[in-house]
Amino acid sequence: NAGVMQNPRHLVRRRGQEARLRCSPMKGHSHVYWYRQLPEEGLKFMVYLQKENIIDESGMPKERFSAEFPKEGPSILRIQQVVRGDSAAYFCASSPSRVQRHSNQPQHFGDGTRLSIL
Amino acid sequence: ILNVEQSPQSLHVQEGDSTNFTCSFPSSNFYALHWYRWETAKSPEALFVMTLNGDEKKKGRISATLNTKEGYSYLYIKGSQPEDSATYLCASDNGSSNTGKLIFGQGTTLQVKP
Repeated sequence: NAGVMQNPRHLVRRRGQEARLRCSPMKGHSHVYWYRQLPEEGLKFMVYLQKENIIDESGMPKERFSAEFPKEGPSILRIQQVVRGDSAAYFCASSPSRVQRHSNQPQHFGDGTRLSIL
Repeated sequence: ILNVEQSPQSLHVQEGDSTNFTCSFPSSNFYALHWYRWETAKSPEALFVMTLNGDEKKKGRISATLNTKEGYSYLYIKGSQPEDSATYLCASDNGSSNTGKLIFGQGTTLQVKP
């Protein structure tokens, strides 16, 4: 039973380039969360998606960042025109269904993508 | 602003010692409190999801308690072993958008010396 798969594990980009981070959720999971860990900081929520829908993007920077979760294929976090401040570890998590109050299901995390901007 | 605070930030103990950490979280509109264990270069591993006031959960030598009225949870490790060395994260789901998004604390990093 494969867990949450993220690729690449490490990504190096020059300022101004685009970065694409991929996340394949666990089998049977249709809900994906993206979190970011900036240097010396904790994990911060970015966006929550279901298949073909962005449900909550309240943690996404207003510009240059976008996310999608198509009907087929992995979820993609896309960062356009990267800047040094985008250097961080980006984690994806998945869950099987929408969380209800007092639900006891955890989110299952991938190993993350470490993005470095030169 | 919803803040989740963990203390201490780091902890060094000897093998065999028992230890505990604290997580404080906003008690309003509480949905769930998650504990994760995170080893370097690996993915956070779910330990517990706690939902009801007074909940106590146990997994081997690790256990956790929950007080939703005052907004805190304790994680206990009995007889620490070197393999327990990791960062322990707690995360709160306060249902603000009914999406399950988690607000994480900064973590407590535990180092167990053999």
